[in-house]
Amino acid sequence: GQQVMQIPQYQHVQEGEDFTTYCNSSTTLSNIQWYKQRPGGHPVFLIQLVKSGEVKKQKRLTFQFGEAKKNSSLHITATQTTDVGTYFCAGSSYNQGGKLIFGQGTELSVKP
Amino acid sequence: EAGVVQSPRYKIIEKKQPVAFWCNPISGHNTLYWYRQNLGQGPELLIRYENEEAVDDSQLPKDRFSAERLKGVDSTLKIQPAELGDSAVYLCASSLDLGGAYTGELFFGEGSRLTVL
Repeated sequence: GQQVMQIPQYQHVQEGEDFTTYCNSSTTLSNIQWYKQRPGGHPVFLIQLVKSGEVKKQKRLTFQFGEAKKNSSLHITATQTTDVGTYFCAGSSYNQGGKLIFGQGTELSVKP
Repeated sequence: EAGVVQSPRYKIIEKKQPVAFWCNPISGHNTLYWYRQNLGQGPELLIRYENEEAVDDSQLPKDRFSAERLKGVDSTLKIQPAELGDSAVYLCASSLDLGGAYTGELFFGEGSRLTVL
């Protein structure tokens, strides 16, 4: 079945450093979503990417969807302590009728 | 506007006991999801409803788990009997889906943390 894999599992950075998490799917995706979960909290939607090669920015966050629509990345420029949390990608395939499969997440810790 | 409401927030039970979780989605959202999240893992889909119809329950352990969404609004998820391995956070989410291959933005509730002793 469809699998969504994320790397790295953990990332520890110094405040001000950049951070990137990568997401890879075993199947071609119709769309990919990114969520952030703060410690003890629930996942909160960040963005959705639909088009091949799409790039979207939200302040210091840059999201990319691969040309083949099988991978995606989230890049944070100049991390802040408020960026702490786990970032999940979640994708749905054309043949899965909209079923959203989550990756394992990348846990980001930021040292002030 | 109220978000997705779940109860209880926490539940501690002994193994073999039954447990039930309740979810009230965002008003007007036609799709409702139950996910299970183990520590350090991503949410795993248990069941997805479109209105009152369960359209994907392939990951639901049907020997002990059951779910219902009466009238296409509130939903309950039940486990009977609970096992030690069921300890996890059970997340309910809802979305407004317009059909097709795309999934709308998921709005999650706070989750119900289950501990089975």
